[in-house]
Amino acid sequence: DAGVIQSPRHEVTEMGQEVTLRCKPISGHDYLFWYRQTMMRGLELLIYFNNNVPIDDSGMPEDRFSAKMPNASFSTLKIQPSEPRDSAVYFCASSQNNEQFFGPGTRLTVL
Amino acid sequence: GQQLNQSPQSMFIQEGEDVSMNCTSSSIFNTWLWYKQDPGEGPVLLIALYKAGELTSNGRLTAQFGITRKDSFLNISASIPSDVGIYFCAGQKITTSGTYKYIFGTGTRLKVLA
Repeated sequence: DAGVIQSPRHEVTEMGQEVTLRCKPISGHDYLFWYRQTMMRGLELLIYFNNNVPIDDSGMPEDRFSAKMPNASFSTLKIQPSEPRDSAVYFCASSQNNEQFFGPGTRLTVL
Repeated sequence: GQQLNQSPQSMFIQEGEDVSMNCTSSSIFNTWLWYKQDPGEGPVLLIALYKAGELTSNGRLTAQFGITRKDSFLNISASIPSDVGIYFCAGQKITTSGTYKYIFGTGTRLKVLA
């Protein structure tokens, strides 16, 4: 298996623009997680899905953030409108039990 | 958001030395996980612990799930230069509503001097 796949790896955008991050989990994994990592706040869980259903989105910072999982092999995290404070590395992870496997991350810079 | 207290924050050691780091929390966890993150990469799972008191090894790595379920440690024996990176602990617990909560430590940045 190729592991968790994320795209794009890097994204630079201007404040106010919509940003969409994509994730393909490991085949057969029924949990999918979105994390944000910054120097100041470390690694934070934003939302996670079980069998494509959002279970806990209490970590989503604001209504500008939304996540979907239309099928077992694809998820998106959208920020609209983006702000400079959203600049961070966003990780997607998937798991079949307690052991999460992380993707390489998307480094987002909002100017 | 809530984070686990992980220490030390950073450490410089000589190649061949043993390394120890730990995580503590005021909350009880069902599972403890240890990850390593290299620059520009996502965290990679090193060891998973499922029972209080459990001691598990993975090569030169050894980790233990504390008896109180509120702490865990990770030891690296005979460190080598490729051990450099950031090590994270993570705790998993089940909330009263039945959902999982994953909380990560603040990380220990390890540098190994050849």
